[in-house]
Amino acid sequence: KQEVTQIPAALSVPEGENLVLNCSFTDSAIYNLQWFRQDPGKGLTSLLLIQSSQREQTSGRLNASLDKSSGRSTLYIAASQPGDSATYLCAVYPGGYQKVTFGTGTKLQVIP
Amino acid sequence: GAVVSQHPSWVICKSGTSVKIECRSLDFQATTMFWYRQFPKQSLMLMATSNEGSKATYEQGVEKDKFLINHASLTLSTLTVTSAHPEDSSFYICSARAASGSADTQYFGPGTRLTVL
Repeated sequence: KQEVTQIPAALSVPEGENLVLNCSFTDSAIYNLQWFRQDPGKGLTSLLLIQSSQREQTSGRLNASLDKSSGRSTLYIAASQPGDSATYLCAVYPGGYQKVTFGTGTKLQVIP
Repeated sequence: GAVVSQHPSWVICKSGTSVKIECRSLDFQATTMFWYRQFPKQSLMLMATSNEGSKATYEQGVEKDKFLINHASLTLSTLTVTSAHPEDSSFYICSARAASGSADTQYFGPGTRLTVL
């Protein structure tokens, strides 16, 4: 059974700092990995999708990397802003169109 | 881009009543839709997988008679919470997988907050 863990569970940083969120998964035989953000009481917003043949994806101040062999993905946020405050979730796609497993989430607070 | 809508966005009901939540893929056909439940400060837990025209597959521990799922068309799936009780209060999110394309990804709806009094 795939287990996906995100560390830390909560993180508070001052505005402008660069930060890294971690996602670890126990079964390295995955297909895709996706990062989402979720604002309180809201649904999911897709940030980055890393497909099986890729090692990283970038969008603006966000960079996500994937190392399947070690069972890890990181989400790097550059020059953090208060608007980045949200819960960040990673989701692992096992391939074969099987069900997705979500991580435990990291709640980020960026202090002005 | 692919858009998934949910209706209603929030609902408050009395204990014992049934509530129906709709999930629609607006600009693509979805052969498979998923229903998730999220408790406060927790991650998403998959409840069931529904394929168009067939019975839903429920995850272990999810009562199929309580959470009725219907996937009548390639753009619509419904979740009905029957005889709702306060413990059913939660945030319900659906997602849809596109019918074509090589990338395996799901598009998520905005969620429905259910409060059972």
